[in-house]
Amino acid sequence: EVQLVQSGAEVKKPGESLKISCKGSGYSFTSYWIGWVRQMPGKGLEWMGIIYPGDSDTRYSPSFQGQVTISADKSISTAYLQWSSLKASDTAMYYCARPGSSGDTEYFQHWGQGTLVTVSS
Amino acid sequence: SYVLTQPPSVSVAPGKTARITCGGNNIGSKSVHWYQQKPGQAPVLVIYYDSDRPSGIPERFSGSNSGNTATLTISRVEAGDEADYYCQVWDSSSDQGVFGGGTKLTVL
Repeated sequence: EVQLVQSGAEVKKPGESLKISCKGSGYSFTSYWIGWVRQMPGKGLEWMGIIYPGDSDTRYSPSFQGQVTISADKSISTAYLQWSSLKASDTAMYYCARPGSSGDTEYFQHWGQGTLVTVSS
Repeated sequence: SYVLTQPPSVSVAPGKTARITCGGNNIGSKSVHWYQQKPGQAPVLVIYYDSDRPSGIPERFSGSNSGNTATLTISRVEAGDEADYYCQVWDSSSDQGVFGGGTKLTVL
């Protein structure tokens, strides 16, 4: 069974750094893209970016390019989403998700449970 | 970047058919995927590649895509279908995914 298990909720202050994680299991981690989706409170889904753990090829939405860093450690089947300096506007639920087919980037079939990030002074 | 437009809300009586649209420039040339999200839960894929259903998704859910509009159709709507629905495409010209703004389906 494919599982994506995300790290727990975080409460941070503006300007702090943060790295949240998403551990994949039940499949070949290096053969599937894995992406991140933001959902701000009461708002819709936003596609942030996607990484192929096999070679670390990464694509970002222009809205998030330079604002976050997506990475992966294939040795522990874990993808990451990282901020160097958080803002209050980064407060949101963040989901990791995986497409249904190996090599596909089109859609997300499997989703993590979400990580709630709260940034407040 | 590519823009997807959904109506903010759709209402339907139980047992009737709900149609949720997703508009985009020549969207018929792209593959459209649909997600259902209930409050406090992660999204669930209900339709992919315009009209394919993942295992476990009822046949009541179907999709179509042509011209400038893609449509998610939910037949014989049930109270449990009440949720937010999002369309999504992969924009190959910019190598990124794009979500529509979402549609809240209300079952009257």
